[in-house]
Amino acid sequence: DAGVIQSPRHEVTEMGQEVTLRCKLISGHNSLFWYRQTMMRGLELLIYFNNNVPIDDSGMPEDRFSAKMPNASFSTLKIQPSEPRDSAVYFCASSKYPDRGGNTIYFGEGSWLTVV
Amino acid sequence: LAKTTQPISMDSYEGQEVNITCSHNNIATNDYITWYQQFPSQGPRFIIQGYKTKVTNEVASLFIPADRKSSTLSLPRVSLSDTAVYYCLVGDSPNTGFQKLVFGTGTRLLVSP
Repeated sequence: DAGVIQSPRHEVTEMGQEVTLRCKLISGHNSLFWYRQTMMRGLELLIYFNNNVPIDDSGMPEDRFSAKMPNASFSTLKIQPSEPRDSAVYFCASSKYPDRGGNTIYFGEGSWLTVV
Repeated sequence: LAKTTQPISMDSYEGQEVNITCSHNNIATNDYITWYQQFPSQGPRFIIQGYKTKVTNEVASLFIPADRKSSTLSLPRVSLSDTAVYYCLVGDSPNTGFQKLVFGTGTRLLVSP
């Protein structure tokens, strides 16, 4: 089975431009997480969805960030306008909830974003 | 929100057993303990999960005492390829029952020849 698929893998953009990151969930999963990782702040949970509904977006840094799930298997994370401090690796992860035992999430390979 | 505390870094040599301990004093009754491994330039990867006592799989063992306020990840006979960051997570169970997984700083394990 294919894992979580993210695109683009790498993006370099200029400050002020719109950035859209995409994520395809593992088939059968119904929960979606967006994380951001930097050296300074580590892995931060930005937002997560369950059954297409945003459950908690308290980690979204500011209004420039938005995330959607237009359908059960796909999500986008948009930054508009982008700023250099948004440079980071953005990970998408998915899981199946409820699941036997604790919630195990599966990560994609990440989207490496550089804003210059 | 259950917080975790683990050593920032550990060093070991090939062939040794490595034990990484994580403290989670505020763990809730419904919370599971999960460990992830992250290599450079990759997303975290699930290693092992447990609720109490001992869990073992082909990669590691997880020891959880009766009070569940801590857990220990044990990696038998590590190799150079085990060099990675290891995260201990405890599920947060809000009213929805949905477990929100928050990553801490992790433990950076360096295995030397």
